Amino acid sequence: QLQLQESGPGLVKPSETLSLTCTVSGGSISSSSYYWGWIRQPPGKGLEWIGSIYYSGSTYYNPSLKSRVTISVDTSKNQFSLKLSSVTAADTAVYYCARPMEAAAGTGGFYFDYWGQGTLVTVSS
Amino acid sequence: EIVLTQSPGTLSLSPGERATLSCRASQSVSSSYLAWYQQKPGQAPRLLIYGASSRATGIPDRFSGSGSGTDFTLTISRLEPEDFAVYYCQQYGSSPTFGQGTKVEIK
Repeated sequence: QLQLQESGPGLVKPSETLSLTCTVSGGSISSSSYYWGWIRQPPGKGLEWIGSIYYSGSTYYNPSLKSRVTISVDTSKNQFSLKLSSVTAADTAVYYCARPMEAAAGTGGFYFDYWGQGTLVTVSS
Repeated sequence: EIVLTQSPGTLSLSPGERATLSCRASQSVSSSYLAWYQQKPGQAPRLLIYGASSRATGIPDRFSGSGSGTDFTLTISRLEPEDFAVYYCQQYGSSPTFGQGTKVEIK
């Protein structure tokens, strides 16, 4: 059974970079042709897709966050990571890692079948 | 960006009743690339439906999805106590976007 687990600081200062890692167990990131991704949810609000990365490294990002987001993959550790720069209070959210399933090759459209439990990141000085 | 609008915002029903949730898109969703998720407090969302009408693995058949183009529906035929939760629709015909959610609460 595939499991995903987020880790990283729970508190980040404004203007700094938020960094999170997702560790995948129960399967290899590189053994199957899957994407891996991040979604966030501000407290009491809805869900927002951040971006997705193929095991080989190609990426799709939410256009509204693209200038601040970097997603990378480390196949040797079976992990993938999120960096979000220049954070503000509006970036306070529960961040989920997930496995995206692509609608069709090259579309950049994904639904999400496996999710981590989520980690709350608060942006505050 | 495709904007998804879910209605109603809150649905108050009793166990055993039928729930009908709506999701309307601002433009046509290609190939019915529409998914539904269930989220309970403090938990991650759980995939229920993809491709507008295909149930995900392990999802009971009381959950069904329908629709195409801009109008989609999630139906729960008979509400069980564990079905009271927030439900989100999500389109993936283009850059993924989610609806704002419908809360199904116990009446």
